[in-house]
Amino acid sequence: GENVEQHPSTLSVQEGDSAVIKCTYSDSASNYFPWYKQELGKRPQLIIDIRSNVGEKKDQRIAVTLNKTAKHFSLHITETQPEDSAVYFCAATGAGSYQLTFGKGTKLSVIP
Amino acid sequence: AAGVIQSPRHLIKEKRETATLKCYPIPRHDTVYWYQQGPGQDPQFLISFYEKMQSDKGSIPDRFSAQQFSDYHSELNMSSLELGDSALYFCASSNGQGLSNEQFFGPGTRLTVL
Repeated sequence: GENVEQHPSTLSVQEGDSAVIKCTYSDSASNYFPWYKQELGKRPQLIIDIRSNVGEKKDQRIAVTLNKTAKHFSLHITETQPEDSAVYFCAATGAGSYQLTFGKGTKLSVIP
Repeated sequence: AAGVIQSPRHLIKEKRETATLKCYPIPRHDTVYWYQQGPGQDPQFLISFYEKMQSDKGSIPDRFSAQQFSDYHSELNMSSLELGDSALYFCASSNGQGLSNEQFFGPGTRLTVL
């Protein structure tokens, strides 16, 4: 089955700086890669996603890049704000299966 | 806009008891997914249903069973509860199965097994 690795597990940045979280996946047939933000005790919320036919996608301060050859995708958050502090999960979905396989998560702390 | 509804939101059970978790998907969504999230862990896929049929199965213990009803709501039945079953259980729904179908998560049910 699919295996998703996520790094780093914790990340602290100063307010206004950028944050980058990286994930790798194992199944070359995977073709959908969402990113979720989860606050303590709350539901995962989709913040951005990318499909395998696209290399990059941007939504205001958030961007995701995908390198299919390297089986690697990354989340970029610019101009971080304290409210960006949360746990971020990357996930992947393989061909023929729509279940999400999540990475272990990154706890992002934005220091005012 | 209507969201995924889960009930109950909190549940406390003793070991070896049974529990039933309910999920009401977003109107017109026909696909339901169940995930289990232990403390400090990532969500783990348990099982999914599409048009009332099981569509995918993950790491769901044999002690657990689930189904999707004619109104598309789903129930997760958990028997012989163990301490390790204590977790957040999320239900997610989507409109059909496919790469363009975002999974919308419910608020979760926090199960505590004593």
